[in-house]
Amino acid sequence: AQSVSQHNHHVILSEAASLELGCNYSYGGTVNLFWYVQYPGQHLQLLLKYFSGDPLVKGIKGFEAEFIKSKFSFNLRKPSVQWSDTAEYFCAVSTGGFKTIFGAGTRLFVKA
Amino acid sequence: SAVISQKPSRDICQRGTSLTIQCQVDSQVTMMFWYRQQPGQSLTLIATANQGSEATYESGFVIDKFPISRPNLTFSTLTVSNMSPEDSSIYLCSVAHRENTEAFFGQGTRLTVV
Repeated sequence: AQSVSQHNHHVILSEAASLELGCNYSYGGTVNLFWYVQYPGQHLQLLLKYFSGDPLVKGIKGFEAEFIKSKFSFNLRKPSVQWSDTAEYFCAVSTGGFKTIFGAGTRLFVKA
Repeated sequence: SAVISQKPSRDICQRGTSLTIQCQVDSQVTMMFWYRQQPGQSLTLIATANQGSEATYESGFVIDKFPISRPNLTFSTLTVSNMSPEDSSIYLCSVAHRENTEAFFGQGTRLTVV
């Protein structure tokens, strides 16, 4: 069965630090990849997505993610985090159709 | 995009009772889904709500426990039946317009069973 693994459950950073959140998936076929973010008290929203083409994907608020097919990875990065990036981040995979599988999530806390 | 409204936003229920959660979308959508997010865990898909037919349940979830209705393309309900404390969770409605596209989420219903 397909699965998504996020390496860090909790991450604490100071403002201006660089961020990288790991995500690996298990599925041998074509995948669509997503990162969602949930800010405190708000609903889940899409941060960025990869369907095909350039494996380096840029999303909102300065986030980017790189799809490395050989490593089954889709890591999220941001060069300099802000206090407002404090949120929970979910990596997700769609393997065709409508169903989406989510990782366990990573709680990011950015210290001002 | 899609704007999704869920009701109630939170509730505290007695064990053995049932709660029906409503999900209203501001536009017609092809697919509607119900997820559960237990404390400290990821989102787990409960079922796909099919318009005009029975919902499709994921492994570990059954219709008797989580009956779902979808009378039209903009509305669905999820009932959590005969609740126990283990059902305490956030229940999320999600929609997608097409295959292999991003999902949109409601704000969720935080359920506590006492």
